[in-house]
Amino acid sequence: GQNIDQPTEMTATEGAIVQINCTYQTSGFNGLFWYQQHAGEAPTFLSYNVLDGLEEKGRFSSFLSRSKGYSYLLLKELQMKDSASYLCAVSSTTDSWGKLQFGSGTQVVVTP
Amino acid sequence: EAGVTQFPSHSVIEKGQTVTLRCDPISGHDNLYWYRRVMGKEIKFLLHFVKESKQDESGMPNNRFLAERTGGTYSTLKVQPAELEDSGVYFCASSLDSSSGNTIYFGEGSWLTVV
Repeated sequence: GQNIDQPTEMTATEGAIVQINCTYQTSGFNGLFWYQQHAGEAPTFLSYNVLDGLEEKGRFSSFLSRSKGYSYLLLKELQMKDSASYLCAVSSTTDSWGKLQFGSGTQVVVTP
Repeated sequence: EAGVTQFPSHSVIEKGQTVTLRCDPISGHDNLYWYRRVMGKEIKFLLHFVKESKQDESGMPNNRFLAERTGGTYSTLKVQPAELEDSGVYFCASSLDSSSGNTIYFGEGSWLTVV
């Protein structure tokens, strides 16, 4: 099975940078997703990493190290609207595509 | 283009009653998934349809839960009879196909409260 850990909550100031870490243990790694979820809304796809390295998309970047079972989501130039829960989810080659194992989510609070 | 839509958004039922949740995936998406998040826990996989066939139903908690996808378009998830521990948010998701790397899109969820 998989074990996915991420911090419960992080607080940062508007304009700052926050890094959300996610560690995982899985048999047959097949990619890691990051989703953003505002309260009462759908989880929204942010990124998918399957190879080692950093992928940048505007203010958001996601990093993966398969050997360390580690990923982070970097949010730069924080805005108030970035206050949300950020979900780390892992796919395994032992499962069909779409069967994701989720972490509990990290609640990011952006303060003025 | 419409995203994954779910109905109802909220439902409050009494223990022992029946509830049916509906999911309309993104048009053209063959793959449809049901997930659930109960209070204080992480989102957990329930089952996966490819068109009208159940590909994987390993996450279904027990036989009080029945999922269908007749015709391979929308899906329903019925809970009968509902128990208190069934309370939570039921998410539906879809992807175009089963190839690795395909983005999985989620709906807003159906909040179920069993009293």
